[in-house]
Amino acid sequence: AQSVTQLDSQVPVFEEAPVELRCNYSSSVSVYLFWYVQYPNQGLQLLLKYLSGSTLVKGINGFEAEFNKSQTSFHLRKPSVHISDTAEYFCAVTPGDYGQNFVFGPGTRLSVLP
Amino acid sequence: EAGVAQSPRYKIIEKRQSVAFWCNPISGHATLYWYQQILGQGPKLLIQFQNNGVVDDSQLPKDRFSAERLKGVDSTLKIQPAKLEDSAVYLCASSLYRDSSYEQYFGPGTRLTVT
Repeated sequence: AQSVTQLDSQVPVFEEAPVELRCNYSSSVSVYLFWYVQYPNQGLQLLLKYLSGSTLVKGINGFEAEFNKSQTSFHLRKPSVHISDTAEYFCAVTPGDYGQNFVFGPGTRLSVLP
Repeated sequence: EAGVAQSPRYKIIEKRQSVAFWCNPISGHATLYWYQQILGQGPKLLIQFQNNGVVDDSQLPKDRFSAERLKGVDSTLKIQPAKLEDSAVYLCASSLYRDSSYEQYFGPGTRLTVT
């Protein structure tokens, strides 16, 4: 079974500042990793995913994430945030064998301040 | 391409009443999921369908929750009777195999309040 930890429940940051949202996972098998964003009163939208290969993956809206196998982490970063990035961010894992069993973390609320 | 549709968007009921949610996935997506998202938490899988068959319903409280997927397309999730702790957003998602993995597409959710 897989599990996901997002240690920061809330992250406030000023506009144009960099941000990092942390995600750690636990699994006995290889995994695929995902980051989703949820804007108020909307469903989740895929930001990016890691399957294999290069450990740095780039996604939409200027976000990127780095996979670190030894630390079982998949932290999300953006060099300069905008007010419009204010949302809830979820890290998720699935088994890396074409698995469709998605396990989500508890989420991190990013608040971008003017 | 139309997204995942859900209705209603909001529902308020009293405890012990019944309620049903409807989901129409993206055309051609064989896999459909129902998630429960309690305030402040991540989505928790309730049930997963592959076409019209159940793949995983291990976390579905079967004494009060039921779900079906008619003809492998639309799906309904029912709660009967509802409890206060069922207050949550119920998300429907469907998935497509793209770029070497399955990717989920979520609907806007139904916010259920049980009073």
